[in-house]
Amino acid sequence: ETGVTQSPTHLIKTRGQQVTLRCSSQSGHNTVSWYQQALGQGPQFIFQYYREEENGRGNFPPRFSGLQFPNYSSELNVNALELDDSALYLCASSFGGRGDYGYTFGSGTRLTVV
Amino acid sequence: TQLLEQSPQFLSIQEGENLTVYCNSSSVFSSLQWYRQEPGEGPVLLVTVVTGGEVKKLKRLTFQFGDARKDSSLHITAAQPGDTGLYLCSRSGGSNYKLTFGKGTLLTVNP
Repeated sequence: ETGVTQSPTHLIKTRGQQVTLRCSSQSGHNTVSWYQQALGQGPQFIFQYYREEENGRGNFPPRFSGLQFPNYSSELNVNALELDDSALYLCASSFGGRGDYGYTFGSGTRLTVV
Repeated sequence: TQLLEQSPQFLSIQEGENLTVYCNSSSVFSSLQWYRQEPGEGPVLLVTVVTGGEVKKLKRLTFQFGDARKDSSLHITAAQPGDTGLYLCSRSGGSNYKLTFGKGTLLTVNP
């Protein structure tokens, strides 16, 4: 059974650029959630994808967008990068979309915006 | 705004000591999860507690869910350097799909 894999592991971008982060969900999981974790903070919910549709969104602007593919993998896209977007971006997968019994997280993508 | 308050924020102890960290909220949880996150890694689920008053043990870790389901504690006995990490509590409520995390307790166990 493979876990959640994210790519790339590290990324440096310039303010104003666009970035795409990728996530492969754990085998058997059909739901992917994305979280942003700033230094010294807990993860903050960005959005969730279930059956290829957005299934809920946190308090993030529209320049944060995503996709889920038929194989349940997912992408997070961020446009017009700002310095405050520098963070660890975590992908988490689950089956069915309920958070009650925990999610499996990937190791994250460390994004630095300069 | 963080809905979960974790304390202490930082904890540095010697190997072999015992410790307790706390997670509190003003509202009721339907369930609560504890995760441990090591540097450069994603959070790893340790336990889910669901029933008020529930106590779960995972080797040297003891998790307790408050009777009113508004608070939880994690007690570690005879801490080891391998216990070092960020301990996060999270909640989801009913049909709510998202996890809400506290800021975490950063634990350092010195050899």
